[in-house]
Amino acid sequence: AQKVTQAQTEISVVEKEDVTLDCVYETRDTTYYLFWYKQPPSGELVFLIRRNSFDEQNEISGRYSWNFQKSTSSFNFTITASQVVDSAVYFCALRLGDQAGTALIFGKGTTLSVSS
Amino acid sequence: DTEVTQTPKHLVMGMTNKKSLKCEQHMGHRAMYWYKQKAKKPPELMFVYSYEKLSINESVPSRFSPECPNSSLLNLHLHALQPEDSALYLCASSQNFYGVGSYNEQFFGPGTRLTVL
Repeated sequence: AQKVTQAQTEISVVEKEDVTLDCVYETRDTTYYLFWYKQPPSGELVFLIRRNSFDEQNEISGRYSWNFQKSTSSFNFTITASQVVDSAVYFCALRLGDQAGTALIFGKGTTLSVSS
Repeated sequence: DTEVTQTPKHLVMGMTNKKSLKCEQHMGHRAMYWYKQKAKKPPELMFVYSYEKLSINESVPSRFSPECPNSSLLNLHLHALQPEDSALYLCASSQNFYGVGSYNEQFFGPGTRLTVL
Protein backbone atom coordinates (compact mmCIF):
# COMPACT_ATOMS: atom_id res chain seq x y z
CA ALA A 1 0.00 0.00 0.00
CA GLN A 2 1.09 3.55 -0.67
CA LYS A 3 1.13 6.02 2.17
CA VAL A 4 2.60 9.35 3.19
CA THR A 5 3.05 10.18 6.85
CA GLN A 6 3.65 13.63 8.25
CA ALA A 7 4.03 13.01 11.96
CA GLN A 8 4.18 16.70 12.89
CA THR A 9 0.66 18.08 13.07
CA GLU A 10 1.61 21.60 14.10
CA ILE A 11 4.89 23.47 14.46
CA SER A 12 5.35 26.94 15.92
CA VAL A 13 8.56 28.90 15.49
CA VAL A 14 9.74 32.46 15.86
CA GLU A 15 10.84 34.39 12.81
CA LYS A 16 14.40 33.67 11.61
CA GLU A 17 14.43 30.21 13.12
CA ASP A 18 15.13 27.27 10.83
CA VAL A 19 12.38 24.65 10.66
CA THR A 20 12.35 21.13 9.24
CA LEU A 21 9.15 19.41 8.16
CA ASP A 22 9.27 15.63 8.19
CA CYS A 23 7.80 13.28 5.60
CA VAL A 24 7.96 9.49 5.49
CA TYR A 25 6.53 7.57 2.57
CA GLU A 26 5.68 3.96 1.84
CA THR A 27 5.65 2.33 -1.58
CA ARG A 28 6.96 -0.80 -3.24
CA ASP A 29 7.18 0.88 -6.63
CA THR A 30 10.67 1.60 -7.90
CA THR A 31 9.60 4.67 -9.86
CA TYR A 32 7.93 7.41 -7.87
CA TYR A 33 7.94 11.16 -7.42
CA LEU A 34 7.81 13.22 -4.26
CA PHE A 35 6.56 16.76 -3.87
CA TRP A 36 6.05 19.41 -1.24
CA TYR A 37 3.14 21.83 -1.50
CA LYS A 38 2.29 24.89 0.59
CA GLN A 39 -1.30 25.90 1.31
CA PRO A 40 -1.67 29.38 2.82
CA PRO A 41 -4.98 30.45 4.40
CA SER A 42 -6.18 31.65 0.98
CA GLY A 43 -6.50 27.99 0.00
CA GLU A 44 -4.38 27.65 -3.12
CA LEU A 45 -1.91 24.77 -3.14
CA VAL A 46 1.47 26.05 -4.24
CA PHE A 47 4.04 23.63 -5.64
CA LEU A 48 7.42 24.05 -3.92
CA ILE A 49 9.90 21.25 -4.61
CA ARG A 50 10.14 17.83 -6.23
CA ARG A 51 12.35 14.78 -6.32
CA ASN A 52 12.22 11.45 -8.17
CA SER A 53 13.17 8.01 -6.90
CA PHE A 54 16.29 7.84 -9.05
CA ASP A 55 17.83 11.06 -7.82
CA GLU A 56 18.85 11.27 -4.19
CA GLN A 57 20.81 14.45 -4.62
CA ASN A 58 19.77 16.99 -2.03
CA GLU A 59 19.39 20.58 -3.07
CA ILE A 60 19.04 24.08 -1.82
CA SER A 61 16.84 26.64 -3.50
CA GLY A 62 16.85 29.98 -1.79
CA ARG A 63 15.58 29.46 1.75
CA TYR A 64 14.31 25.99 0.92
CA SER A 65 16.30 22.78 1.08
CA TRP A 66 15.33 19.15 1.02
CA ASN A 67 16.82 15.89 2.20
CA PHE A 68 15.71 12.78 0.31
CA GLN A 69 16.88 9.45 1.74
CA LYS A 70 15.61 6.26 0.14
CA SER A 71 17.19 4.15 2.90
CA THR A 72 14.79 5.65 5.43
CA SER A 73 11.98 6.51 2.96
CA SER A 74 12.11 10.11 4.04
CA PHE A 75 11.74 13.38 2.16
CA ASN A 76 12.27 16.16 4.67
CA PHE A 77 11.92 19.84 3.87
CA THR A 78 13.74 22.68 5.61
CA ILE A 79 12.97 26.37 5.60
CA THR A 80 15.93 28.49 6.63
CA ALA A 81 15.40 31.81 8.41
CA SER A 82 11.64 31.42 8.54
CA GLN A 83 9.37 34.38 7.89
CA VAL A 84 5.79 35.16 8.89
CA VAL A 85 4.73 34.63 5.27
CA ASP A 86 5.84 31.01 5.58
CA SER A 87 2.87 30.36 7.88
CA ALA A 88 0.75 27.79 6.07
CA VAL A 89 -0.15 24.13 5.89
CA TYR A 90 2.56 22.10 4.17
CA PHE A 91 1.72 18.86 2.39
CA CYS A 92 4.11 16.15 1.31
CA ALA A 93 2.81 14.13 -1.64
CA LEU A 94 3.74 10.96 -3.51
CA ARG A 95 2.96 10.05 -7.12
CA LEU A 96 3.64 6.60 -8.50
CA GLY A 97 4.81 5.53 -11.91
CA ASP A 98 5.88 7.40 -15.01
CA GLN A 99 2.48 8.46 -16.24
CA ALA A 100 0.74 11.70 -15.57
CA GLY A 101 -2.89 11.61 -14.70
CA THR A 102 -2.35 9.60 -11.56
CA ALA A 103 -3.34 10.64 -8.10
CA LEU A 104 -1.15 12.51 -5.69
CA ILE A 105 -1.11 10.68 -2.37
CA PHE A 106 -1.00 13.39 0.25
CA GLY A 107 0.12 13.30 3.84
CA LYS A 108 -2.21 14.85 6.39
CA GLY A 109 -0.25 18.09 6.39
CA THR A 110 1.80 20.06 8.89
CA THR A 111 0.58 23.45 10.03
CA LEU A 112 3.48 25.85 10.40
CA SER A 113 3.00 29.03 12.40
CA VAL A 114 5.76 31.63 12.29
CA SER A 115 5.44 34.49 14.74
CA SER A 116 7.28 37.79 14.64
CA ASP B 1 1.25 31.98 -18.12
CA THR B 2 1.69 29.60 -15.21
CA GLU B 3 -1.74 30.02 -13.73
CA VAL B 4 -4.75 27.86 -13.17
CA THR B 5 -7.89 29.93 -12.73
CA GLN B 6 -11.14 28.85 -11.13
CA THR B 7 -14.54 30.48 -11.01
CA PRO B 8 -16.42 31.26 -8.92
CA LYS B 9 -14.32 31.77 -5.81
CA HIS B 10 -17.29 31.20 -3.55
CA LEU B 11 -20.59 29.47 -4.22
CA VAL B 12 -23.62 28.97 -2.01
CA MET B 13 -26.32 26.68 -3.35
CA GLY B 14 -29.40 24.86 -2.20
CA MET B 15 -29.82 21.13 -2.45
CA THR B 16 -32.11 21.46 -5.48
CA ASN B 17 -29.92 23.85 -7.44
CA LYS B 18 -27.80 23.12 -10.49
CA LYS B 19 -24.50 24.95 -10.71
CA SER B 20 -21.13 24.56 -12.42
CA LEU B 21 -17.54 25.14 -11.39
CA LYS B 22 -15.09 26.23 -14.05
CA CYS B 23 -11.35 25.77 -14.37
CA GLU B 24 -9.00 27.08 -17.06
CA GLN B 25 -5.30 26.76 -17.78
CA HIS B 26 -3.15 28.00 -20.65
CA MET B 27 0.06 26.13 -19.91
CA GLY B 28 -0.51 23.52 -22.60
CA HIS B 29 -1.08 20.86 -19.98
CA ARG B 30 -2.94 17.76 -21.16
CA ALA B 31 -3.93 16.35 -17.78
CA MET B 32 -6.49 18.07 -15.57
CA TYR B 33 -7.81 17.12 -12.16
CA TRP B 34 -10.61 17.83 -9.71
CA TYR B 35 -9.93 17.49 -5.98
CA LYS B 36 -12.22 17.95 -2.99
CA GLN B 37 -10.78 19.24 0.27
CA LYS B 38 -12.59 19.32 3.59
CA ALA B 39 -11.36 21.56 6.39
CA LYS B 40 -8.11 20.46 8.01
CA LYS B 41 -7.79 17.49 5.63
CA PRO B 42 -5.61 16.85 2.60
CA PRO B 43 -7.12 17.10 -0.88
CA GLU B 44 -8.89 14.00 -2.18
CA LEU B 45 -8.84 13.18 -5.88
CA MET B 46 -12.21 13.09 -7.62
CA PHE B 47 -11.58 12.97 -11.37
CA VAL B 48 -8.69 12.99 -13.83
CA TYR B 49 -8.85 13.92 -17.50
CA SER B 50 -6.00 12.89 -19.74
CA TYR B 51 -6.03 14.28 -23.28
CA GLU B 52 -9.60 15.44 -22.74
CA LYS B 53 -10.80 11.97 -21.84
CA LEU B 54 -11.92 10.89 -18.39
CA SER B 55 -9.25 8.51 -17.12
CA ILE B 56 -9.99 8.30 -13.40
CA ASN B 57 -13.26 8.56 -11.47
CA GLU B 58 -12.65 7.89 -7.81
CA SER B 59 -16.14 6.50 -7.21
CA VAL B 60 -17.60 9.97 -7.04
CA PRO B 61 -21.42 10.20 -6.68
CA SER B 62 -23.28 10.99 -9.90
CA ARG B 63 -24.46 14.32 -8.51
CA PHE B 64 -20.96 15.49 -9.56
CA SER B 65 -20.51 15.46 -13.32
CA PRO B 66 -17.20 16.48 -14.87
CA GLU B 67 -16.72 17.79 -18.38
CA CYS B 68 -13.64 18.67 -20.39
CA PRO B 69 -14.77 20.69 -23.44
CA ASN B 70 -11.20 21.25 -24.66
CA SER B 71 -7.62 20.97 -23.51
CA SER B 72 -7.75 24.25 -21.58
CA LEU B 73 -11.10 23.96 -19.83
CA LEU B 74 -12.50 21.73 -17.13
CA ASN B 75 -15.97 21.98 -15.66
CA LEU B 76 -17.65 20.32 -12.72
CA HIS B 77 -21.43 20.27 -12.92
CA LEU B 78 -23.25 20.05 -9.61
CA HIS B 79 -26.82 18.84 -9.09
CA ALA B 80 -28.81 17.83 -6.02
CA LEU B 81 -25.86 18.19 -3.68
CA GLN B 82 -25.94 17.41 0.01
CA PRO B 83 -24.71 19.61 2.89
CA GLU B 84 -21.79 17.21 3.39
CA ASP B 85 -20.57 18.16 -0.09
CA SER B 86 -19.60 21.57 1.26
CA ALA B 87 -15.84 21.85 0.77
CA LEU B 88 -13.06 23.54 -1.14
CA TYR B 89 -12.96 22.25 -4.71
CA LEU B 90 -9.55 22.45 -6.30
CA CYS B 91 -8.67 22.14 -9.94
CA ALA B 92 -5.16 21.20 -11.04
CA SER B 93 -3.31 20.62 -14.28
CA SER B 94 -0.06 18.97 -15.27
CA GLN B 95 1.97 18.01 -18.26
CA ASN B 96 1.37 14.52 -19.52
CA PHE B 97 4.83 13.20 -20.29
CA TYR B 98 5.81 9.56 -20.01
CA GLY B 99 9.05 8.02 -18.94
CA VAL B 100 11.43 8.15 -16.05
CA GLY B 101 12.02 11.67 -14.88
CA SER B 102 8.63 12.93 -15.99
CA TYR B 103 7.65 14.78 -12.87
CA ASN B 104 4.34 16.05 -14.25
CA GLU B 105 3.93 18.13 -11.14
CA GLN B 106 0.41 19.39 -10.62
CA PHE B 107 -0.33 23.09 -10.52
CA PHE B 108 -3.41 24.05 -8.56
CA GLY B 109 -5.94 26.81 -8.90
CA PRO B 110 -7.17 28.90 -5.95
CA GLY B 111 -10.23 26.73 -5.49
CA THR B 112 -13.96 27.28 -5.17
CA ARG B 113 -15.38 27.30 -1.64
CA LEU B 114 -18.74 25.59 -1.94
CA THR B 115 -21.45 25.75 0.69
CA VAL B 116 -24.54 23.59 0.29
CA LEU B 117 -27.51 24.65 2.37
